[in-house]
Amino acid sequence: EAGVAQSPRYKIIEKRQSVAFWCNPISGHATLYWYQQILGQGPKLLIQFQNNGVVDDSQLPKDRFSAERLKGVDSTLKIQPAKLEDSAVYLCASRPRTRGGNEQFFGPGTRLTVL
Amino acid sequence: RKEVEQDPGPFNVPEGATVAFNCTYSNSASQSFFWYRQDCRKEPKLLMSVYSSGNEDGRFTAQLNRASQYISLLIRDSKLSDSATYLCVVNDGGGADGLTFGKGTHLIIQP
Repeated sequence: EAGVAQSPRYKIIEKRQSVAFWCNPISGHATLYWYQQILGQGPKLLIQFQNNGVVDDSQLPKDRFSAERLKGVDSTLKIQPAKLEDSAVYLCASRPRTRGGNEQFFGPGTRLTVL
Repeated sequence: RKEVEQDPGPFNVPEGATVAFNCTYSNSASQSFFWYRQDCRKEPKLLMSVYSSGNEDGRFTAQLNRASQYISLLIRDSKLSDSATYLCVVNDGGGADGLTFGKGTHLIIQP
């Protein structure tokens, strides 16, 4: 079974530029999450989708970050404009619809460096 | 603010030894508890869930103390391949079930 796919794997931009990340969850997984992991810290939830609806975006810096999952499958996360402190790994995760298991499956992440 | 606190280490442990990690969580209403493992420059992967009665998976034993809001992980007969960062993770349940991660404990198994 294919895992969570993310692209690009690496991105280097200058501050005030814009950047977008893409995620394709495991087939059939209704719930999708975006996490931000700053070096030396654990991942921090940015946003959770259930199908194409937002369940939780309380920790998303909405002045500069946006995310969408228009068709309830793949998702994009955008930062506009980027700041130095946005340098981090952006992880996408997905979980199946059933509540029998809580495991979230993570993609390899996109490593963003803001100069 | 919900928090999960862990000792970041590093823990330097000789191969074959037993090592234990602890973490505490602040939200008494938390529903589910996990240990995730993260290798250097890789994504986190579920190591094991943590149940109130305690649970074991091979060389790994996890314990939960709800009264003290405390979670532990014990690794017996440690292997070189156990070297990684171990993330203590809490889920508050409900519809918004994003995970709250600790900063991780870095474990180095030495030959």
